[in-house]
Amino acid sequence: AQTVTQSQPEMSVQEAETVTLSCTYDTSESDYYLFWYKQPPSRQMILVIRQEAYKQQNATENRFSVNFQKAAKSFSLKISDSQLGDAAMYFCAYKTGTASKLTFGTGTRLQVTL
Amino acid sequence: GAVVSQHPSRVICKSGTSVKIECRSLDFQATTMFWYRQFPKQSLMLMATSNEGSKATYEQGVEKDKFLINHASLTLSTLTVTSAHPEDSSFYICSARDPRNADGYTFGSGTRLTVV
Repeated sequence: AQTVTQSQPEMSVQEAETVTLSCTYDTSESDYYLFWYKQPPSRQMILVIRQEAYKQQNATENRFSVNFQKAAKSFSLKISDSQLGDAAMYFCAYKTGTASKLTFGTGTRLQVTL
Repeated sequence: GAVVSQHPSRVICKSGTSVKIECRSLDFQATTMFWYRQFPKQSLMLMATSNEGSKATYEQGVEKDKFLINHASLTLSTLTVTSAHPEDSSFYICSARDPRNADGYTFGSGTRLTVV
């Protein structure tokens, strides 16, 4: 069974600084997708970034980028120039290429301080 | 972008009664919808996958007679918590898959269920 592990229950970053959230996963599949979702206090799940496993280039969305290490099965999220609005729970998620359901990690609570 | 409407956002019900939660895809047809349960400060746990026109696929350990899922149309799935008990109190989130793109998982805003 596929598993997603987020080893950091909580992280803190100062405004304008950079923070990296870690995620590792376990799979025997070769075709899969990885996601980072943000869940702010409103509880609305918001897609931050996604990565297809077959792409070697790391995905980037404005201040958010990933470090995808396929051999190590690692998928970390880097947030640059952190803003107060980045404070939220962040969930790493995985799906195989054929299946439709997402498997979520346990989440990392990110605090952004002044 | 894709929008999923989930209703109600909050509901309080008495123990023993049933509660229905609706999940609608507003601007796309969702052949597949998902129902999650989230306990405080925990992750989303998939309860079941709902496919339009067929029976839902429940995850291991989820009582299908307790959590009734109906996906009668391409834009609506419902979750009914039957004979609710206080231990069913939780945050329930639906998600719909937009077949138009690979990362098309749009989430509803969730329903906080409190059983008293």
